[in-house]
Amino acid sequence: LAKTTQPISMDSYEGQEVNITCSHNNIATNDYITWYQQFPSQGPRFIIQGYKTKVTNEVASLFIPADRKSSTLSLPRVSLSDTAVYYCLLGSNAGNNRKLIWGLGTSLAVNP
Amino acid sequence: DAMVIQNPRYQVTQFGKPVTLSCSQTLNHNVMYWYQQKSSQAPKLLFHYYDKDFNNEADTPDNFQSRRPNTSFCFLDIRSPGLGDAAMYLCATSRDSGGMNTEAFFGQGTRLTVV
Repeated sequence: LAKTTQPISMDSYEGQEVNITCSHNNIATNDYITWYQQFPSQGPRFIIQGYKTKVTNEVASLFIPADRKSSTLSLPRVSLSDTAVYYCLLGSNAGNNRKLIWGLGTSLAVNP
Repeated sequence: DAMVIQNPRYQVTQFGKPVTLSCSQTLNHNVMYWYQQKSSQAPKLLFHYYDKDFNNEADTPDNFQSRRPNTSFCFLDIRSPGLGDAAMYLCATSRDSGGMNTEAFFGQGTRLTVV
C-alpha cells in the first residue's frame, strides 16, 4: 500500500513562498495527489489536486515530477492566516474502489 | 452558506451510552464519508456511502455503525462509546461522476467527549 511522507513542521515569514514536499515512492498508476488545509477545530479544506506535471489555481501550485514519486505544494506569499496543517493525500475517490492515504500532515507556522 | 453541516459541534456522552452524530449536505453529492480524527493525527476514514452502498474500512470497529436514509443525511452511531473513542468526527461529501476524481467537502466536525 502506498505511503506518504511529509515534514512534520515548517516555519516561514509573511510574504515568503513556502514549498512543502511530499514523498510517495509507491504511488499507484491511478492515484491522484491531493492537498488539504486544516485549521484547529475545523474540517479540512481542499487546496489543490493533480496527477502529473504542474497544476495551478488561485491559492497554490502543485508540482509533480515525471516519475510521480513526490509532489511539492507551493504557497506564494504566505500570510499569518496560512498557519495551518497541510495534508498530502494519495488515492482516488472515483468509483466504488476508493483508497485514500493521508499523510501525517505538515504544521506550517507563518511568523510576522 | 454551509454546505456540509454537522450537529452538534460538541457532544458529551457517558461511557457505554449510545450516541448518534448527524451530518447533512446541500450539495446533492452521491458520496458521503465519516472520518475520525484524534488530536495531532490525520483523519482516519471509518466508512463511506457510495449512493446507498455502504463501504466499511477493514479496521473500523463494529462499535461504529452508519445510516444514510436519503441523499442529504448521514448518521454515525457509536453503540458503546469508550474513552478511546473521544475524538473529532468529520463528515465529508464528494460527487462521483463517472470516474473523475473530485474534491471532498468537509463539515466543521463534531468533537466527542466520553466521560
